[in-house]
Amino acid sequence: DVKVTQSSRYLVKRTGEKVFLECVQDMDHENMFWYRQDPGLGLRLIYFSYDVKMKEKGDIPEGYSVSREKKERFSLILESASTNQTSMYLCATHFLNTIYFGEGSWLTVV
Amino acid sequence: EDQVTQSPEALRLQEGESSSLNCSYTVSGLRGLFWYRQDPGKGPEFLFTLYSAGEEKEKERLKATLTKKESFLHITAPKPEDSATYLCAAMYNNNDMRFGAGTRLTVKP
Repeated sequence: DVKVTQSSRYLVKRTGEKVFLECVQDMDHENMFWYRQDPGLGLRLIYFSYDVKMKEKGDIPEGYSVSREKKERFSLILESASTNQTSMYLCATHFLNTIYFGEGSWLTVV
Repeated sequence: EDQVTQSPEALRLQEGESSSLNCSYTVSGLRGLFWYRQDPGKGPEFLFTLYSAGEEKEKERLKATLTKKESFLHITAPKPEDSATYLCAAMYNNNDMRFGAGTRLTVKP
């Protein structure tokens, strides 16, 4: 079974704080993704990575950055959190033409 | 831009009342059509992948079908535990994956 682990399930942060969301996969997959999910908007791609130290912008990269120092770990960074970044964040990995998701991280910015 | 549209947005069924969810997508360049189930507060769980028109896949009370321009998720004799949001996604030749907004299914006992 493919396992994608998001270490933080629920976070509350203050406006202006730096936020790290961590994601780890255990299947040696090359492709990893960060999405955010909002009611009525579906899943929107923030960033993705095809390999270590590689990153590509998705549809909504503004206000976010990513880090992939090791193949199994893909981190999403909010340099200065804002209230409009309150959302559910989903990490995913791509294997055999299918995307597998983690359990999600609920971030509230106050 | 490639698009995926799901209907209805929400569906309420009585236990045992069969129905179908619809997913329409941009046809050009489609590599695969995916269905996911998502429970409240959790990540989407993979259900099916369909690759070509006419293809069907089944799992318990769920059956997914694909035509040239849309996909259906048929739910036969649903139970309350089938209540969830069902997401459809289309993957294109450039590895772009587009998700629909989902159909929120409620099955009442």
